[in-house]
Amino acid sequence: DTGVSQDPRHKITKRGQNVTFRCDPISEHNRLYWYRQTLGQGPEFLTYFQNEAQLEKSRLLSDRFSAERPKGSFSTLEIQRTEQGDSAMYLCASSPHTGGKGGTEAFFGQGTRLTVV
Amino acid sequence: GENVEQHPSTLSVQEGDSAVIKCTYSDSASNYFPWYKQELGKRPQLIIDIRSNVGEKKDQRIAVTLNKTAKHFSLHITETQPEDSAVYFCAASTGTYKYIFGTGTRLKVLA
Repeated sequence: DTGVSQDPRHKITKRGQNVTFRCDPISEHNRLYWYRQTLGQGPEFLTYFQNEAQLEKSRLLSDRFSAERPKGSFSTLEIQRTEQGDSAMYLCASSPHTGGKGGTEAFFGQGTRLTVV
Repeated sequence: GENVEQHPSTLSVQEGDSAVIKCTYSDSASNYFPWYKQELGKRPQLIIDIRSNVGEKKDQRIAVTLNKTAKHFSLHITETQPEDSAVYFCAASTGTYKYIFGTGTRLKVLA
């Protein structure tokens, strides 16, 4: 499968624990996004990378959340001291650079479903 | 702030009928408008998109229209089939990076 892959697919953790998710984008895509989706809602933007640079972080993201993309390839999203409200599907997406021609399709991964108990 | 409103939240149609989903965006700088289909337990997948320099785009049974003045865009599905049943999300982007999604429309096509 040459699409966006995420690992793990499911994660159950106890409140207060730290969790880390991984996203491998499509190899030639330089843009990488993290979104959070709760039941019955659309994906909410969390953060965005262009290559290894994190260019924007949503105000929704508390200090407990951190994301990295150290070599401009895969990315990790870490949540520290998890809370029950963090339970959601975490989606990663990637898209190619369009050379200033505007937006283009973002390809989504299958997501990591986090349950905090 | 940036916002995309989507209506209706649920839509039931008889097989063969048409379905229309409408979205309104707030950021006048938005210039790219994708529509995603998400089946239960699966990833969102692009079904059609439109750029701000185009008023309408069609792909077989699916069409999207854009009214930049009113900041409205709509998805039209004709001759609906049971496999069209899913949740549909509209989104708006300024073209640089992030997409602001609507809250979704659950479409049910009744056989």
